[in-house]
Amino acid sequence: GDSVTQMEGPVTLSEEAFLTINCTYTATGYPSLFWYVQYPGEGLQLLLKATKADDKGSNKGFEATYRKETTSFHLEKGSVQVSDSAVYFCALANFGNEKLTFGTGTRLTIIP
Amino acid sequence: DGGITQSPKYLFRKEGQNVTLSCEQNLNHDAMYWYRQDPGQGLRLIYYSQIVNDFQKGDIAEGYSVSREKKESFPLTVTSAQKNPTAFYLCASSIGRDRPNYGYTFGSGTRLTVV
Repeated sequence: GDSVTQMEGPVTLSEEAFLTINCTYTATGYPSLFWYVQYPGEGLQLLLKATKADDKGSNKGFEATYRKETTSFHLEKGSVQVSDSAVYFCALANFGNEKLTFGTGTRLTIIP
Repeated sequence: DGGITQSPKYLFRKEGQNVTLSCEQNLNHDAMYWYRQDPGQGLRLIYYSQIVNDFQKGDIAEGYSVSREKKESFPLTVTSAQKNPTAFYLCASSIGRDRPNYGYTFGSGTRLTVV
């Protein structure tokens, strides 16, 4: 079945540092890939997505590229801010599967 | 604006009581989902529904029940059989199984505490 493996957390960075959160997947066919963000005490929000190989999703300075050859969808940001502190979830959707498959989440803390 | 509304935001339950969490969406989505999230943990699927009057058990359905009488509504009842109900509950919706590339829309959650 489909699965998502996400970088273990927690991750702590200084403000303005470069961020990478790794995400790899196992799936048949051509899944769509997502990054969701959850701020403290809130629900999940869609951060970005990519629906086919080599697509790059981007939003709020975050980027992720759908790499079919390495089955990866790593999240990156060039310069993080304190307001980026949150939990980030990688997820996968596939035709024929009724549900999204989520990674375990990565807690990110940015210190001033 | 379209979205998902969960209520209440905070809920306190005495041991042995059933409580019902509300989830309403005005996105015209076919599918709806309930997840449980424990502190520092990921998401665990409780129940989901792809169409009205039909729903399926997720990974941790024991002690929970749902109904889907209307497309817009998918209430979750936490019964007294649920031994450890204190958690953050998230409701989500999606267009349906034919459009997985649209992902989910989530509500803002209900925090349930047993007192």
